[in-house]
Amino acid sequence: DGGITQSPKYLFRKEGQNVTLSCEQNLNHDAMYWYRQDPGQGLRLIYYSQIVNDFQKGDIAEGYSVSREKKESFPLTVTSAQKNPTAFYLCASSFAVGGDQPQHFGDGTRLSIL
Amino acid sequence: AQSVSQHNHHVILSEAASLELGCNYSYGGTVNLFWYVQYPGQHLQLLLKYFSGDPLVKGIKGFEAEFIKSKFSFNLRKPSVQWSDTAEYFCAVNSPAGGTSYGKLTFGQGTILTVHP
Repeated sequence: DGGITQSPKYLFRKEGQNVTLSCEQNLNHDAMYWYRQDPGQGLRLIYYSQIVNDFQKGDIAEGYSVSREKKESFPLTVTSAQKNPTAFYLCASSFAVGGDQPQHFGDGTRLSIL
Repeated sequence: AQSVSQHNHHVILSEAASLELGCNYSYGGTVNLFWYVQYPGQHLQLLLKYFSGDPLVKGIKGFEAEFIKSKFSFNLRKPSVQWSDTAEYFCAVNSPAGGTSYGKLTFGQGTILTVHP
């Protein structure tokens, strides 16, 4: 079955540590996205990528970094500069950015601070 | 920048009650509108979408939504809810072309629906 795979499901970070969240899709989608979900705040866009080797900052990019070396993969690094990283992180993809392209979501990674 | 507002954080209903979840957006240009649903323990999935044409759109599981351009609203409705509709519902909007909001899907805060059997 085609879909989006996020790993790990749960992740713990120590103070001052960088951690990387994995997102892989086999839907042949060009566009990929990272969102952060906090209770009562909905989903907020961290980064998105329209195509391989290209990505743009979303609304809350500070303290995060991404890469898009392969079409199927869009890993997110939560750096030590992100002072409040505890949240649920969702990866999504779509055929193209914007327009009438609905996004397909993974199951998410829950990040907590030790 | 566009924004989306959902009026209720938590709605509690009994089975067979009617449902209406409010959603308002702030972008003045052409928009595409979506409702997503997140059932407990499951990933976010598309419930319905509006791009153009008939402002009353029908989605999965008996849900529908009406786009009222003059009110910047896209309310979600269901005539008779079931226990299995218990989930969190998100309204979202993007702009189809151009502008600083292009490519960004902006979500509302979410509404938790609890349906008692």
